[in-house]
Amino acid sequence: NAGVTQTPKFQVLKTGQSMTLQCAQDMNHNSMYWYRQDPGMGLRLIYYSASEGTTDKGEVPNGYNVSRLNKREFSLRLESAAPSQTSVYFCASSDIPGQGSDEQYFGPGTRLTVT
Amino acid sequence: GQSLEQPSEVTAVEGAIVQINCTYQTSGFYGLSWYQQHDGGAPTFLSYNGLDGLEETGRFSSFLSRSDSYGYLLLQELQMKDSASYLCAVRNSNYQLIWGAGTKLIIKP
Repeated sequence: NAGVTQTPKFQVLKTGQSMTLQCAQDMNHNSMYWYRQDPGMGLRLIYYSASEGTTDKGEVPNGYNVSRLNKREFSLRLESAAPSQTSVYFCASSDIPGQGSDEQYFGPGTRLTVT
Repeated sequence: GQSLEQPSEVTAVEGAIVQINCTYQTSGFYGLSWYQQHDGGAPTFLSYNGLDGLEETGRFSSFLSRSDSYGYLLLQELQMKDSASYLCAVRNSNYQLIWGAGTKLIIKP
């Protein structure tokens, strides 16, 4: 099992460019998440998908869109990148939120720089 | 607002015991989790407390007091490979995880 995979690992964009971050999981999990992590701050939830076919905003959704393509795949799109979106982006998945430990499994991250 | 507070950095000696504290203020509470994150890596799950008390997993233990909105992670017999950041997270009433900024654990030989 590969777990959670993300592409690309690194990306540099110019202000105003667009891009899509891809995420896939092979654990048959229902829920998937996109976080951003900035120095000195905790992980912040951008969007999540509790189950296939649903998506909801998290704490910091502005400037982002998501698509839950199927149960395995959850993509994050930046339509017009801004320097404030320079960050490390993590995708995560979990089985059923609210049950037990709700352990989240993380991908390796995408390091995005916007100049 | 919702927030979790944990120390930014803790230093300890190899072989010793260290405690990392976490206090929280969230809308609803459905459990406290701890994750480990090495530099440049992804967070990995360590432990979960849904009820008050101590949970033990090998060299790591985690404690929760819901009445004090407080928990801690206890690491025993510290090894150099334990040098990492430790993140606490609380599941709120929307079943979302709210994260602390992380505690960097520095271990000296």
